[in-house]
Amino acid sequence: SQQGEEDPQALSIQEGENATMNCSYKTSINNLQWYRQNSGRGLVHLILIRSNEREKHSGRLRVTLDTSKKSSSLLITASRAADTASYFCATEGGAYSGAGSYQLTFGKGTKLSVIP
Amino acid sequence: ETGVTQSPTHLIKTRGQQVTLRCSSQSGHNTVSWYQQALGQGPQFIFQYYREEENGRGNFPPRFSGLQFPNYSSELNVNALELDDSALYLCASSFSGSGELFFGEGSRLTVL
Repeated sequence: SQQGEEDPQALSIQEGENATMNCSYKTSINNLQWYRQNSGRGLVHLILIRSNEREKHSGRLRVTLDTSKKSSSLLITASRAADTASYFCATEGGAYSGAGSYQLTFGKGTKLSVIP
Repeated sequence: ETGVTQSPTHLIKTRGQQVTLRCSSQSGHNTVSWYQQALGQGPQFIFQYYREEENGRGNFPPRFSGLQFPNYSSELNVNALELDDSALYLCASSFSGSGELFFGEGSRLTVL
């Protein structure tokens, strides 16, 4: 089953505009991560925000987390054609083993198209 | 490039056959996770291996099995293939305590 749900499912913007994607989840989490995927290839990690953090920045990316609403948003500023991809939020929580890594639960993703 | 390599990149099997997918983790990583991604869906956790032992499993039947080797590379085996097993299989490596996963490019399996 999928924990997170991204919104919108698809987003089309002009180059230079900002893109905002939202993610909602259902259970408590240790952290929330955003990944990017180009055309059915491997996922690339973008940013991780811990449950005790509210906002985080990385280059043109800004992520917010509201644990009371169980939601997160990813903002990409000044978008480029190369940002065209699917973006997934993934939550970690519940199945933490304590022995190394842990299980991530992904949403279905937002497909972003940036038009040159 | 994440340093995680998977093979083969594409393969076609028929129902009932068996398949083995391979993954070499990034240098220094001791944990490997496998995910299944059906078309148009997000990845779903299959299982994770830490220091050669299964260390967590998602909602997948026992015909999905795996191995991790002393060099931390890994295999995913699927027996008695079904049509619904058609998907992109992603391997991800990480180091103990790190939240970020490093994914390979995936193995696309088609079951006819």
